[in-house]
Amino acid sequence: RKEVEQDPGPFNVPEGATVAFNCTYSNSASQSFFWYRQDCRKEPKLLMSVYSSGNEDGRFTAQLNRASQYISLLIRDSKLSDSATYLCAVRSDRKLIWGLGTSLAVNP
Amino acid sequence: EAGVAQSPRYKIIEKRQSVAFWCNPISGHATLYWYQQILGQGPKLLIQFQNNGVVDDSQLPKDRFSAERLKGVDSTLKIQPAKLEDSAVYLCASSFYGEQFFGPGTRLTVL
Repeated sequence: RKEVEQDPGPFNVPEGATVAFNCTYSNSASQSFFWYRQDCRKEPKLLMSVYSSGNEDGRFTAQLNRASQYISLLIRDSKLSDSATYLCAVRSDRKLIWGLGTSLAVNP
Repeated sequence: EAGVAQSPRYKIIEKRQSVAFWCNPISGHATLYWYQQILGQGPKLLIQFQNNGVVDDSQLPKDRFSAERLKGVDSTLKIQPAKLEDSAVYLCASSFYGEQFFGPGTRLTVL
């Protein structure tokens, strides 16, 4: 089992749709969790840190489920500009372990 | 605040040649990372520095890759000799605590 696994995608959704991504991790002692966004041919940029209580930033909601060892990212009212690859990253033992990313295409 | 700087942005070389990449992290960031990202995959950590000491280089192909951060600030990553499978984007990132900030990357093509 990989340390961090993501839905393979790609996800193709219409504008205005709600889409959710999951990311599972294998190390129960993992300390921190992040969602990054990566546009085509660009570097990853932090979208959200994921807190135990869950957190929301506009149309984006991130949640952590320690019992089942996964984090999720919910995007409401999808925009064309949300099209990108979404990478999850999990910090364990001072290392940041990355998922392979999930590709999202929002269509008009 | 200036971001992470990398150069060159693009590099094309032939296999068996050598290449070097440079990274200048955000001022004050003690931790510096070099990643390799192959198209369609997530970043793969090559090496992590804390100041000028190596924290993790377990995935660095040490027979051909080397990296240094002599003064605990900027860093260089070298490949010698390059192979076709080294074609990728090489990302440098730095962090103070938690969030990593990435540079624009160097896109390497090995012919």
